[in-house]
Amino acid sequence: DTGVSQDPRHKITKRGQNVTFRCDPISEHNRLYWYRQTLGQGPEFLTYFQNEAQLEKSRLLSDRFSAERPKGSFSTLEIQRTEQGDSAMYLCASSTHETGGAGSPLHFGNGTRLTVT
Amino acid sequence: TQLLEQSPQFLSIQEGENLTVYCNSSSVFSSLQWYRQEPGEGPVLLVTVVTGGEVKKLKRLTFQFGDARKDRSLHITAAQPGDTGLYLCAGAGSGGSNYKLTFGKGTLLTVNP
Repeated sequence: DTGVSQDPRHKITKRGQNVTFRCDPISEHNRLYWYRQTLGQGPEFLTYFQNEAQLEKSRLLSDRFSAERPKGSFSTLEIQRTEQGDSAMYLCASSTHETGGAGSPLHFGNGTRLTVT
Repeated sequence: TQLLEQSPQFLSIQEGENLTVYCNSSSVFSSLQWYRQEPGEGPVLLVTVVTGGEVKKLKRLTFQFGDARKDRSLHITAAQPGDTGLYLCAGAGSGGSNYKLTFGKGTLLTVNP
């Protein structure tokens, strides 16, 4: 178990530029999530994949955001035409499917901290 | 919208003291998870509680899930500087949306030596 890895750890970009983040989940996990966390807040759900299918996308995710998980393994999150309000920590997490309706514990990566200047 | 309210938001104590943090909601969740997050890192799962009235102990940490599955608490005995961090509670939806976690804002705990 090498854990969830995210790349890059930090990204500074100018307003209007596009950025892409990558997440490599734990290999046997079929569920992958993206969350966003700003200072003083808990993580907010952005989107969820089961294998390669994107099953839910939060209303927080504007049309400038797109996420993919093309082969059901790694995932990318792209933000187009970045705005200063996009500055946040972007967290990726993965989990297995849990039966019984108890909810799957998430294994988080260490995040990508985005700063838009 | 399901919301989780955590209190206190900030807590600074001396090593050896006991503390309790709370996480309450107006909605029922299928399960409740507690995470701890250190600066610059992602949250790490501490425990999952499922059953109303459930109490789980993890060394010096005691987690309690209220009977109505709306209120929950985390109690730390004899806190140590290594307990410093952001404690997050998260609730899982029920049925087909049990994959989705709603997080509270967290309690930022500082334990001074």
